[in-house]
Amino acid sequence: DAGVTQSPTHLIKTRGQQVTLRCSPKSGHDTVSWYQQALGQGPQFIFQYYEEEERQRGNFPDRFSGHQFPNYSSELNVNALLLGDSALYLCASSRSAVNEQFFGPGTRLTVL
Amino acid sequence: AQSVTQPDIHITVSEGASLELRCNYSYGATPYLFWYVQSPGQGLQLLLKYFSGDTLVQGIKGFEAEFKRSQSSFNLRKPSVHWSDAAEYFCAVGLSGGYNKLIFGAGTRLAVHP
Repeated sequence: DAGVTQSPTHLIKTRGQQVTLRCSPKSGHDTVSWYQQALGQGPQFIFQYYEEEERQRGNFPDRFSGHQFPNYSSELNVNALLLGDSALYLCASSRSAVNEQFFGPGTRLTVL
Repeated sequence: AQSVTQPDIHITVSEGASLELRCNYSYGATPYLFWYVQSPGQGLQLLLKYFSGDTLVQGIKGFEAEFKRSQSSFNLRKPSVHWSDAAEYFCAVGLSGGYNKLIFGAGTRLAVHP
């Protein structure tokens, strides 16, 4: 049983560019959450998708947007990249009624 | 507002020694509580969780944690640490109400001396 997968593993962008990160949830899971983990900090909740809609959002600007597809996979888009967006981006999946999340290995984004 | 505090940024123990990592939370209702471990460059692996019932919960890799409502704490323990336990440990609170957003502490980095 494959766990949560994320692509790409690493990404380097320059300020002002746009980036798309991808996540495939664990089999049987229908809910995807995204977290940003800056260096030396704990993960911060960005948003959560369920039934192809954003169900809950953390304290992140509108430059951060997402999408969930009918197969439950998800994308995180960040526009107008800033240096401060450099971080490890973690995707977590869960079943909607179950309060337990499984995390992927993350995508390391570096903004130069 | 909900928050999680892990008072110890770094902890160093000798292999074979016991370990306790502290976690305090602030949340008005009964929380769902989690401990995750993160090895360098890796994602998060769930060690254990508390939803309700017995306040002493057992997890993987020989870890356990105790929920103390009166102290708003959920400390992680292991009786004998192995060199492979060196990693970063995160305590998290899951909010009730149907949505499972997690709020994480800043983490505790554990180093193990041989």
